[in-house]
Amino acid sequence: SQTIHQWPATLVQPVGSPLSLECTVEGTSNPNLYWYRQAAGRGLQLLFYSVGIGQISSEVPQNLSASRPQDRQFILSSKKLLLSDSGFYLCAYVRGKNTGELFFGEGSRLTVL
Amino acid sequence: QKEVEQDPGPLSVPEGAIVSLNCTYSNSAFQYFMWYRQYSRKGPELLMYTYSSGNKEDGRFTAQVDKSSKYISLFIRDSQPSDSATYLCAMKTGANNLFFGTGTRLTVIP
Repeated sequence: SQTIHQWPATLVQPVGSPLSLECTVEGTSNPNLYWYRQAAGRGLQLLFYSVGIGQISSEVPQNLSASRPQDRQFILSSKKLLLSDSGFYLCAYVRGKNTGELFFGEGSRLTVL
Repeated sequence: QKEVEQDPGPLSVPEGAIVSLNCTYSNSAFQYFMWYRQYSRKGPELLMYTYSSGNKEDGRFTAQVDKSSKYISLFIRDSQPSDSATYLCAMKTGANNLFFGTGTRLTVIP
């Protein structure tokens, strides 16, 4: 069966510190992968998506970056966190190729102080 | 104008009530329509999916799409406390990524 894992689940980081959030998918090959951020009252904001290894598309200019070093691994990073980076980060993959149905991970809650 | 508009609520109803959740959209090219349910501190999970116009029923849940009005609805019959969650609508054309509403927070009071 297909599963998606995210870690860490929760983290508190000071402003200016680096960030690395990891997402891995099991049970599928060559998935389309997504990073979303969910801030209170603002819904889901698409940050990055990837259709294959090394292929990253950025939807919103920001101090975050993404990488896909392996087929089923998607990493969200930052060199220097801002207060505005606080939020709930969700990784997802496309489960229905025609419908675009997304299957989400459990999320990583980031608080920047 | 946002691609997808959704009333954020919050919405509180007594147990057993019929709940109506709605979204409007501006892009007439949207063909695929979904509803996700998100419990607190969890990732969203797909609840209902419909293609083009019409109704779809799954147990206590019914999804409706009215493309002429650019309006979609999710109805929950006999609502239960376990239905308390945030409900997000989402939609897309054939090619692009999903567009999400901001979500409506629902509380079903026992």
